[in-house]
Amino acid sequence: EVVMTQSPATLSVSPGERATLSCRASQSVSTNLAWHQQKPGQAPRLLIYDASTRATGVPARFSGSGSGTEFTLTISSLQSEDFAVYYCQQFYHWPYTFGQGTKVEIK
Amino acid sequence: EVQLVESGGTLVQPGGSLRLSCAASGFPFSSHDMHWVRQSTGKRLEWVSAIGFAGDIYYPDSMRGRFSISRENARNSLYLQMNSLGVGDTAVYYCARALRPGVIDYWGQGTLVTVSS
Repeated sequence: EVVMTQSPATLSVSPGERATLSCRASQSVSTNLAWHQQKPGQAPRLLIYDASTRATGVPARFSGSGSGTEFTLTISSLQSEDFAVYYCQQFYHWPYTFGQGTKVEIK
Repeated sequence: EVQLVESGGTLVQPGGSLRLSCAASGFPFSSHDMHWVRQSTGKRLEWVSAIGFAGDIYYPDSMRGRFSISRENARNSLYLQMNSLGVGDTAVYYCARALRPGVIDYWGQGTLVTVSS
């Protein structure tokens, strides 16, 4: 099973600042990597797939990069609605697996 | 509008069984792979099962033998039969649609399964 490791566990950011979240896979997943956002009491929401493709309706301030084992989600200018938990997920090897999440909180 | 509505979650005793349902609407259900993913309190998301639009079925090794996924395209419905439940199965269970293999683009709101005596 591919282990996905996210860092940091918690990221404290001021509104308007840039946030950079990292995700590492225990083996190569090529670009078969997605990012999901989850707010308290809500279901996750797809943000990015294929490592860098924004899902429908996702603002341009969200961008993804990386391939192989190292991936990054960048939020260029944090808005109030962006404070949430972010999960990376690989879909290259079955079973598909998620990271443990990075919580982006208000500084 | 794509909608996925799960039902069937409840309190069940260890060793018991439960059947979850997911009612789908707003898209051609028979054309999409569907998934069950669960989330325990404070823990990461975990894949439970997947069923392709053609009926192919996948389970992680940890779920195989106890869980059974099925779909009924005529009713736009997805199901998860869970047997021999243990406290470790306590979680919110999400029904999810795949945009294409492995890419979940819509999630239901989830149904809570609590396994406790």
